[in-house]
Amino acid sequence: DIQMTQSPSSLSASVGDRVTITCRAGQDISTFLNWYQQKPGTAPQLLIYAASRLQSGVPSNFSGSGSGTDFTLTISSLQAEDFATYYCQQSYSTPPTFGQGTKLEIK
Amino acid sequence: QVHLVQSGAEVKKPGASVKVSCKTSGFTFSQYAVHWVRQAPGQSLEWMGWINGGNGNTRYSQKFQGRVTLTRDTSAGTAYMELSGLKSEDTAVYYCARSTFDIWGQGTLVTVSS
Repeated sequence: DIQMTQSPSSLSASVGDRVTITCRAGQDISTFLNWYQQKPGTAPQLLIYAASRLQSGVPSNFSGSGSGTDFTLTISSLQAEDFATYYCQQSYSTPPTFGQGTKLEIK
Repeated sequence: QVHLVQSGAEVKKPGASVKVSCKTSGFTFSQYAVHWVRQAPGQSLEWMGWINGGNGNTRYSQKFQGRVTLTRDTSAGTAYMELSGLKSEDTAVYYCARSTFDIWGQGTLVTVSS
């Protein structure tokens, strides 16, 4: 199984801040990388697929980059509704595997 | 609109089985696969397996092989996940998701307690 490692595990930031979350794959996964946002008590929501493609309906302040083993999710200007937990997931091989999550909290 | 609607919360005793349903709408069920993913309290997401809505082929995580069974009713556009030999560690929210993980069900809490 491909291990996915996110950093940091938690992050405090303020509205308006620019935030970057990193995800590292245990082997080359090309751009088969998804990012999700999850709020308490709700299902994950797909934000970014294929490492950098914005899912329909997702605000443009979210962006993704990277290929191979190193990936980043950037939120250019944090909004109040962006405080949540974020997960990366590889879809390169079965089983699909998820990172441990990054909890983004209000400073 | 595309929706996945799951069955309600379950409480089971250790050793029992649970069957969760995932009713789809807004797309052609037979043209997609359905994944099952679970999330234990305070933990990350864990893939359990998927089923091809068209031909019914399945693929399971090694961790759950032998304990999980995925089935589907194409005419009803519904996928099912049955987990047997329940243990307290199986207490989690169980999600179904469409093949590209773009649409998720609302989740079903399964509690295993004596």
